[in-house]
Amino acid sequence: NAGVTQTPKFQVLKTGQSMTLQCAQDMNHNSMYWYRQDPGMGLRLIYYSASEGTTDKGEVPNGYNVSRLNKREFSLRLESAAPSQTSVYFCASRRGDRGSPLHFGNGTRLTVT
Amino acid sequence: GESVGLHLPTLSVQEGDNSIINCAYSNSASDYFIWYKQESGKGPQFIIDIRSNMDKRQGQRVTVLLNKTVKHLSLQIAATQPGDSAVYFCAESGGGSQGNLIFGKGTKLSVKP
Repeated sequence: NAGVTQTPKFQVLKTGQSMTLQCAQDMNHNSMYWYRQDPGMGLRLIYYSASEGTTDKGEVPNGYNVSRLNKREFSLRLESAAPSQTSVYFCASRRGDRGSPLHFGNGTRLTVT
Repeated sequence: GESVGLHLPTLSVQEGDNSIINCAYSNSASDYFIWYKQESGKGPQFIIDIRSNMDKRQGQRVTVLLNKTVKHLSLQIAATQPGDSAVYFCAESGGGSQGNLIFGKGTKLSVKP
């Protein structure tokens, strides 16, 4: 039981390049989330998927797109990376009801030069 | 808008002492609260949660206290150990049907041997 798995762990991009961050969970959770973590800013929600087949914007969605591929997998895509997107990205999942905790992956550390 | 904050950005304690980490929240409608621990290079790890119909909840060496009157949340760690050194986040379940979590910026706990 691996929980939430994120790939890659590290990535360096040049401005304008694109990439997709992968996330998979094996806990049969309904809801999945993408957060970014910046120094002094805490965790900010980018996009979430309350259930398979749905996605919604969070607090900071600009510059990102997501795909809920199936119940297990939720990917985050940067179409044209910018230095402001240098951050640590965390994927998380939870059962789905509002009174359940999020379970996080170990993050992807992205640097855009 | 709603916000979750922490009273102290850093906390240094002696090994064996008890630690108390505080958090203020501003949304009186929040009904679910969580504490997370984040070690360097890892994702946030769930510690303990509490619903708004409770004042106190205990886990293994940890206790969460909720004071809805003053919108205050605290995490108490008994007999603090070096392995407790980490950043601790509180989070509240914000408004809306999804109850997406809103995170504080974190308190860094350092345990001196």
